[in-house]
Amino acid sequence: AQSVTQPDIHITVSEGASLELRCNYSYGATPYLFWYVQSPGQGLQLLLKYFSGDTLVQGIKGFEAEFKRSQSSFNLRKPSVHWSDAAEYFCAVGGRSSNTGKLIFGQGTTLQVKP
Amino acid sequence: SQTIHQWPATLVQPVGSPLSLECTVEGTSNPNLYWYRQAAGRGLQLLFYSVGIGQISSEVPQNLSASRPQDRQFILSSKKLLLSDSGFYLCAWSGQTEAFFGQGTRLTVV
Repeated sequence: AQSVTQPDIHITVSEGASLELRCNYSYGATPYLFWYVQSPGQGLQLLLKYFSGDTLVQGIKGFEAEFKRSQSSFNLRKPSVHWSDAAEYFCAVGGRSSNTGKLIFGQGTTLQVKP
Repeated sequence: SQTIHQWPATLVQPVGSPLSLECTVEGTSNPNLYWYRQAAGRGLQLLFYSVGIGQISSEVPQNLSASRPQDRQFILSSKKLLLSDSGFYLCAWSGQTEAFFGQGTRLTVV
């Protein structure tokens, strides 16, 4: 079955500390992979995406993610967290077809940033 | 550039009342359109998608329905709301490589 698992429901980090949000997926074919961020009461904003090529992808707001096929993982990282990064983060997987909005989402990870 | 509009932003409805949420997209033609729901403490679940006018695919059985009367309009409806329909509803359209989401509608059924 196709699924996305974000093992950490809630993470708290200090401002300036590094961050890693975990994502594991199960998908029958080679997937498209995404990380979205959601501020309270808002829609989703795309942080970054992976389709092919370099397994380390750079996104907006200083985020990056690394695709590891052998581990079926696509973890999100940021070297130094800012207070404005507090939000909910979703990992998603989609198929390589024209229906690119048909996504399977993880449960989300809520990031809290301590001053 | 493309934009997606969703309204209303918040809605409180009594159990048994009807529902109509509207989503429109500007700046693109014949987009694929999607309705997602985010229940409290859970991730997003795809409810419906549409690849063209009048073409609706349902992903999960439920009390809701969707319609696409125009190329860039996608409507989510219910004849009689249930308490379990409460949640955050997101409309999205997809380009060649990614989906773009609206600001969402917070629906509370009381």
